[in-house]
Amino acid sequence: DSGVTQTPKHLITATGQRVTLRCSPRSGDLSVYWYQQSLDQGLQFLIQYYNGEERAKGNILERFSAQQFPDLHSELNLSSLELGDSALYFCASSVTGALDNEQFFGPGTRLTVL
Amino acid sequence: AQTVTQSQPEMSVQEAETVTLSCTYDTSESDYYLFWYKQPPSRQMILVIRQEAYKQQNATENRFSVNFQKAAKSFSLKISDSQLGDAAMYFCAYRSADSGNQFYFGTGTSLTVIP
Repeated sequence: DSGVTQTPKHLITATGQRVTLRCSPRSGDLSVYWYQQSLDQGLQFLIQYYNGEERAKGNILERFSAQQFPDLHSELNLSSLELGDSALYFCASSVTGALDNEQFFGPGTRLTVL
Repeated sequence: AQTVTQSQPEMSVQEAETVTLSCTYDTSESDYYLFWYKQPPSRQMILVIRQEAYKQQNATENRFSVNFQKAAKSFSLKISDSQLGDAAMYFCAYRSADSGNQFYFGTGTSLTVIP
């Protein structure tokens, strides 16, 4: 158990819908990362937050948005869902978010878009 | 964007033997970090080892070591005394400040450990 929690574990929804994935980092970690893992795209970095501020941005679609709240938990919002958004979404956390920081990954949220 | 290439989609190794997983990357930057992550069947990603480009010495973590060849842009992972628990997907990753702190991942190598 990494100490990072993600809810829900599984999510099934329809095209066009909007969902919110939630992540709670390890106690003491200030930085949160989001990743998407799909068969088509492989493992992709989406976005990183540090203490509420965006720190790095990867291949995150405009339909997707994220934020980190004052209590350091983070949410990833996915809207206008398409079939291709079906994937495993990981959250990870690290102490400071520095380049060499070890990241601790959550168990992931499996999103299925029908 | 940086490119990370893992040319071996699948590898297998006999238990207690040694296996090397390959990773190459393409960059014009001089300072960056390289990582190997393990993803077992549970899907939980785990950091195996990391290397800073400025450090000449190859990183080692117990049975895991890397062969970092900066000029060749190669970062291979050697697993010694392979154990059944090493069976997993292994991802090579690159990260640098000049690339906006983004992570770039390879496509992964699936490692099977044969008893």
